[in-house]
Amino acid sequence: GDSVTQMEGPVTLSEEAFLTINCTYTATGYPSLFWYVQYPGEGLQLLLKATKADDKGSNKGFEATYRKETTSFHLEKGSVQVSDSAVYFCALSRDSSASKIIFGSGTRLSIRP
Amino acid sequence: SAVISQKPSRDICQRGTSLTIQCQVDSQVTMMFWYRQQPGQSLTLIATANQGSEATYESGFVIDKFPISRPNLTFSTLTVSNMSPEDSSIYLCSAVGPDPRYNEQFFGPGTRLTVL
Repeated sequence: GDSVTQMEGPVTLSEEAFLTINCTYTATGYPSLFWYVQYPGEGLQLLLKATKADDKGSNKGFEATYRKETTSFHLEKGSVQVSDSAVYFCALSRDSSASKIIFGSGTRLSIRP
Repeated sequence: SAVISQKPSRDICQRGTSLTIQCQVDSQVTMMFWYRQQPGQSLTLIATANQGSEATYESGFVIDKFPISRPNLTFSTLTVSNMSPEDSSIYLCSAVGPDPRYNEQFFGPGTRLTVL
């Protein structure tokens, strides 16, 4: 069945470091791909998404490119801030209405000042 | 986008009791869902809340344990019945729509449940 595999955490970086969180997926066809973020004590928020191959989703300095050939959707940010400390979830949906979302296990990111 | 609120935000309950969690969306939505997030884990879909009919449950979840209601297009409840410590989790409500072009699911802030 469909699944999402993402880099295990926790990941600890210094402020202004470059961030990559790896995410690969298994699915037939062309799923939509998402990154959600969960800040401490809060619910999930959609960070960015891509709905077709080679699309690049971007938001708040984060980017991820939908790579069909490598079935990947890695999250990157050029210079992280302390406020980026959160848990990041990679996810996919095969349904065009995003009704069935499959989440990865989550990666906890901590940024040191 | 849709703004989703949940009540209560947290609760501590005794074993064997039941808790009903409410989810309110600020606009009419096509689909509503309930998830569970166990400590340190990812999200697991419990069920799809169907308006005016019985919810559709995922494998491993049953109506007797997690009865769900959705009386209209903006409101749903999840009851966690006959609770045990293993039910300690964050329960999240989510919604999709009403515009299917946006292909996006919005989440509530969650209800943190602790069962003693």
